[in-house]
Amino acid sequence: QKEVEQNSGPLSVPEGAIASLNCTYSDRGSQSFFWYRQYSGKSPELIMSIYSNGDKEDGRFTAQLNKASQYVSLLIRDSQPSDSATYLCAVKSEDFGNEKLTFGTGTRLTIIP
Amino acid sequence: EPEVTQTPSHQVTQMGQEVILRCVPISNHLYFYWYRQILGQKVEFLVSFYNNEISEKSEIFDDQFSVERPDGSNFTLKIRSTKLEDSAMYFCASRDTGRGEGYTFGSGTRLTVV
Repeated sequence: QKEVEQNSGPLSVPEGAIASLNCTYSDRGSQSFFWYRQYSGKSPELIMSIYSNGDKEDGRFTAQLNKASQYVSLLIRDSQPSDSATYLCAVKSEDFGNEKLTFGTGTRLTIIP
Repeated sequence: EPEVTQTPSHQVTQMGQEVILRCVPISNHLYFYWYRQILGQKVEFLVSFYNNEISEKSEIFDDQFSVERPDGSNFTLKIRSTKLEDSAMYFCASRDTGRGEGYTFGSGTRLTVV
């Protein structure tokens, strides 16, 4: 069973501060990693993808990947109240040529004005 | 921006009834998926579909479930005889051909079985 683990939170961060979200995964062969944002009652929305070790920046978001430690993180700089949502870590796994995303339980983030 | 469209947004059905959830994936995408999310729980994989056949299905996707691509645009999930525990949000997703691509999710159908 391929697992993706996240701290469910809630994580409360003051407006303007950096929010740090973490994820670990069990399948050492995974190559593609994604962060989705999900507002309450809505569908997951892709915000970042990362495939190589190191950092990838996109605006206020930075994804970090360490395959040796099987660890993915997401940093949100200058946090805004609109960033309040559940952040889902998703890992793409492949078996016999078939691939699918496996999601963690999500971390609920609250930005405090 | 292209989007995945799902209908209906909310469906209430009686236990034992059949339901069909509909999805229109992004037009140039070739890989399609159904996921579900029970209230308060994680997003769970149900089935993947490519080249008009199921690629992979989870343990959840038992004989009560089926998928179909009846024409060039629609992708449906049928639950033959609904149970109370089928109540969940059902998300359709699609992706482009690059293997590293993320999935684009539809807005979901909230299924309530009473």
